[in-house]
Amino acid sequence: KAGVTQTPRYLIKTRGQQVTLSCSPISGHRSVSWYQQTPGQGLQFLFEYFSETQRNKGNFPGRFSGRQFSNSRSEMNVSTLELGDSALYLCASSPLSTRNTEAFFGQGTRLTVV
Amino acid sequence: GQQVMQIPQYQHVQEGEDFTTYCNSSTTLSNIQWYKQRPGGHPVFLIQLVKSGEVKKQKRLTFQFGEAKKNSSLHITATQTTDVGTYFCAGTGNQFYFGTGTSLTVIP
Repeated sequence: KAGVTQTPRYLIKTRGQQVTLSCSPISGHRSVSWYQQTPGQGLQFLFEYFSETQRNKGNFPGRFSGRQFSNSRSEMNVSTLELGDSALYLCASSPLSTRNTEAFFGQGTRLTVV
Repeated sequence: GQQVMQIPQYQHVQEGEDFTTYCNSSTTLSNIQWYKQRPGGHPVFLIQLVKSGEVKKQKRLTFQFGEAKKNSSLHITATQTTDVGTYFCAGTGNQFYFGTGTSLTVIP
């Protein structure tokens, strides 16, 4: 069974630009969650999608948005990039909810904002 | 707001010594999960605890959930070099929070 796939693996963007990251969950998983990982702040929850609906949201500004498609693939968008958005962005999938069942993480997308 | 804190932040042990990391929440959690992240890798699920006072074991790893469901611990007996990594707890309260993590270094 293929694991969680995130694309691209690495990305360099300029301040003010926008970026879209993609996550393909494990086949059959309906829940996808996104996290931001930085050395200073650790792992922070961004949002969770289940069956195309955002079910939970963390404390991030509106510049961070996401969506989920009918095939459970998810995208995360960050607009008006700031230097502080440089981080490893991880997505995780789960059959039901990543909050109370095992979550499978992808390798992450390393975003650098210059 | 709710936070999940872990201590210690870093731990260096000689191979064969024991290791414990503690996870504390400011509010009651409905469950707690533990993950391990190897250097350069992604978090990998270890276990989930749901019941008050629950204790679960996986070979040399022992996980505990506190009676008040506000704290948890992970204990590794006789560490090995393969145990190197950062251990995170993650709890569900008002939101879903990851702990700050404990980075374990095992000296051969």
